[in-house]
Amino acid sequence: GQQVMQIPQYQHVQEGEDFTTYCNSSTTLSNIQWYKQRPGGHPVFLIQLVKSGEVKKQKRLTFQFGEAKKNSSLHITATQTTDVGTYFCAVTSSNYKLTFGKGTLLTVNP
Amino acid sequence: GAGVSQSPSNKVTEKGKDVELRCDPISGHTALYWYRQSLGQGLEFLIYFQGNSAPDKSGLPSDRFSAERTGGSVSTLTIQRTQQEDSAVYLCASSRRTGGAGNSPLHFGNGTRLTVT
Repeated sequence: GQQVMQIPQYQHVQEGEDFTTYCNSSTTLSNIQWYKQRPGGHPVFLIQLVKSGEVKKQKRLTFQFGEAKKNSSLHITATQTTDVGTYFCAVTSSNYKLTFGKGTLLTVNP
Repeated sequence: GAGVSQSPSNKVTEKGKDVELRCDPISGHTALYWYRQSLGQGLEFLIYFQGNSAPDKSGLPSDRFSAERTGGSVSTLTIQRTQQEDSAVYLCASSRRTGGAGNSPLHFGNGTRLTVT
């Protein structure tokens, strides 16, 4: 099945620093989704990328899809304590199964 | 409208007992997924339904696990003869459709926290 590697597993930053998490696949992806899970909560959809080289922004969050559609990144500018949580990427298999990366846990020191 | 509803929110059971977890998806959502999340871990895919059929059951850990969906709506995940390693949060998610250039987003329920003693 479709596999995706997500790095880093953990990231601790000082408030105001930037943060980036990466997802990499050995095969070409049809699309990629990003989710955020707050501590004690459930995953919440952030965005979906479909096109090669696509870049989308949501306030301080920037999402990129690689030109070869094999990798993606989520970048947060000037982190805030509200950004704390685990960020997951998710990719679709040929049978439409959605497989999640292992996630990056972000902690922010105020 | 209402989101994805899961019940019970918490379940404590003795090893060897059967448990049934319920998921009510968002009305009109044809796709339904079950995932399992152990403490501090990622989301482990269990099973996926498109309507009432399950094209992919590959994630079910053993034959003690089964799931069904009726009327294209409610789904139940049953674990027979529970073991301590079954302890986890079981998350259900639904989406409007699958396929095409991109999938619809998954909407997750709050999960059922299962503890097997």
